[in-house]
Amino acid sequence: GENVEQHPSTLSVQEGDSAVIKCTYSDSASNYFPWYKQELGKRPQLIIDIRSNVGEKKDQRIAVTLNKTAKHFSLHITETQPEDSAVYFCAASKRGDYKLSFGAGTTVTVRA
Amino acid sequence: KAGVTQTPRYLIKTRGQQVTLSCSPISGHRSVSWYQQTPGQGLQFLFEYFSETQRNKGNFPGRFSGRQFSNSRSEMNVSTLELGDSALYLCASSLVPSDGQETQYFGPGTRLLVL
Repeated sequence: GENVEQHPSTLSVQEGDSAVIKCTYSDSASNYFPWYKQELGKRPQLIIDIRSNVGEKKDQRIAVTLNKTAKHFSLHITETQPEDSAVYFCAASKRGDYKLSFGAGTTVTVRA
Repeated sequence: KAGVTQTPRYLIKTRGQQVTLSCSPISGHRSVSWYQQTPGQGLQFLFEYFSETQRNKGNFPGRFSGRQFSNSRSEMNVSTLELGDSALYLCASSLVPSDGQETQYFGPGTRLLVL
């Protein structure tokens, strides 16, 4: 089955700096890649997603890039703010699988 | 629209007991998926249902089962509980496109503690 690896497991950044989280996947058939943010004690919430026919997608301070050849995708958060502190999960899915395979998560701490 | 709801939110059981968790999807969503979240294993897929049919199942023992009703609400059951079943159980719903890759929206989860 699909194996998604996520790095780093923890990330501490100064407020205003950028944060980058990287994920690799094993199944070349995977073609949908969402990112979820989970604050302490809350549900995972989708922050951005990308499909394999697109190389990059941006939504305000958040962007995701996808390299299908290398089978990796990354989340970029610019101008980080304290409210960006959370656990971020990447995931991968392929057509007809009806499930998400998640990375292990990255705990992001934004220092004021 | 109301989000995904799950009941109960917290549950304490003892080893050997069974438990049933409930999930109500977002109105109009017809696919319901279940995930187990633990500190050690992260988020792991349990199963997915659409139109009362299980379309995929994760790598969990047969003690874990689920079902979906005609109104898309879903339940999952864990029998003969073990200490390792302590986890946050998350339900997610999505619209159903033909490729099964619609955005999944998560509920708040049911936190199960097995003593």
